[in-house]
Amino acid sequence: DAGITQSPRYKITETGRQVTLMCHQTWSHSYMFWYRQDLGHGLRLIYYSAAADITDKGEVPDGYVVSRSKTENFPLTLESATRSQTSVYFCASKISEAMNTEAFFGQGTRLTVV
Amino acid sequence: EDQVTQSPEALRLQEGESSSLNCSYTVSGLRGLFWYRQDPGKGPEFLFTLYSAGEEKEKERLKATLTKKESFLHITAPKPEDSATYLCAVHRRGRNRDDKIIFGKGTRLHILP
Repeated sequence: DAGITQSPRYKITETGRQVTLMCHQTWSHSYMFWYRQDLGHGLRLIYYSAAADITDKGEVPDGYVVSRSKTENFPLTLESATRSQTSVYFCASKISEAMNTEAFFGQGTRLTVV
Repeated sequence: EDQVTQSPEALRLQEGESSSLNCSYTVSGLRGLFWYRQDPGKGPEFLFTLYSAGEEKEKERLKATLTKKESFLHITAPKPEDSATYLCAVHRRGRNRDDKIIFGKGTRLHILP
């Protein structure tokens, strides 16, 4: 199906482990984003990518790594998971380079670090 | 400091009882304001973009308006299926042409049948 999909939907991992969250979109959108959503906070931008092989830090990038070797994929890696990274993670994509166009979000990945 | 504040945090209405959600912002270089709807366990779903003060947009029972300091999401005769969290986000361009989108914390709306 066309759209933006995230996997896994749910993940439990231990402190110190590396974990990768996957994001795949079928629209060939140029821009892709990773957000985290926590109670008491709005969505906060972790990293974004303007195109394949171009990535940039957002508001809360520490402890995360991204890559974008193909336009359609934008994986997010937690190099050494910490409890503070327990959150719901959303991937999003935009059709246009203009920031004032709407983003389309995936269903989210609920990550628990124990 | 750039801020986006949504109020109230939560709102319970009877079916058919109209009301408004507020999104106030203090940002420089506003480029656009977005409203999203988020259902439990799902990602945000785009509703509207507003670009300039005085602009209004409508979709079914929802109407979004924008002033220089705030936006309202008016809900007319809501139904239980309108229950969701409504998110406001502001796109601002800084002095160095650095773009940033700032989300509010959302308003949880519950419509009672």
